[in-house]
Amino acid sequence: DSGVTQTPKHLITATGQRVTLRCSPRSGDLSVYWYQQSLDQGLQFLIQYYNGEERAKGNILERFSAQQFPDLHSELNLSSLELGDSALYFCASSLGQGEETQYFGPGTRLLVL
Amino acid sequence: GEDVEQSLFLSVREGDSSVINCTYTDSSSTYLYWYKQEPGAGLQLLTYIFSNMDMKQDQRLTVLLNKKDKHLSLRIADTQTGDSAIYFCAEHLSGGYNKLIFGAGTRLAVHP
Repeated sequence: DSGVTQTPKHLITATGQRVTLRCSPRSGDLSVYWYQQSLDQGLQFLIQYYNGEERAKGNILERFSAQQFPDLHSELNLSSLELGDSALYFCASSLGQGEETQYFGPGTRLLVL
Repeated sequence: GEDVEQSLFLSVREGDSSVINCTYTDSSSTYLYWYKQEPGAGLQLLTYIFSNMDMKQDQRLTVLLNKKDKHLSLRIADTQTGDSAIYFCAEHLSGGYNKLIFGAGTRLAVHP
């Protein structure tokens, strides 16, 4: 158990809908990262937040957004969902905003029908 | 560029050593990681190595880094059936790009 929690574990929804994935980092960690794992793209970095502020951005679509709240939990919002958004979404956390080790949560499996 | 490559599949006999190889392209990578993913599970950090090291040993795991060739390997001694999983190599980019670049993963199958 990495100490990073994610909810829900599974999510099934329809195209065009909007969903919110939630992540709680390890106690004491200030950075939260979001990754997407899909069959065709593999594991890709989406975005990082540090202490409430966006720090780094990867291959995140404009339909997706994220935020980190004062209690340091983070939410990833996916809107106008398409079939291709079906994937496993991982959250990771680290102590600071630099090159500390990232610890991953169990992931949320999203299926868009 | 940002690219990490791994072979996709490795099959070994129980008790043998497994060696999973990885090549990366970014010479500014400071840390390199190995993560393990079991079926239906998340990513478990196995070990990591700092770029100024050549080798790191942690129980049954040995990581070798050849920085000149940008080659990383993970050796699992006395491989067990419980080691069957997908193993991901990842490089940590520095210079303001605080993200991990993952390889496609190597599926390790351990048979009796």
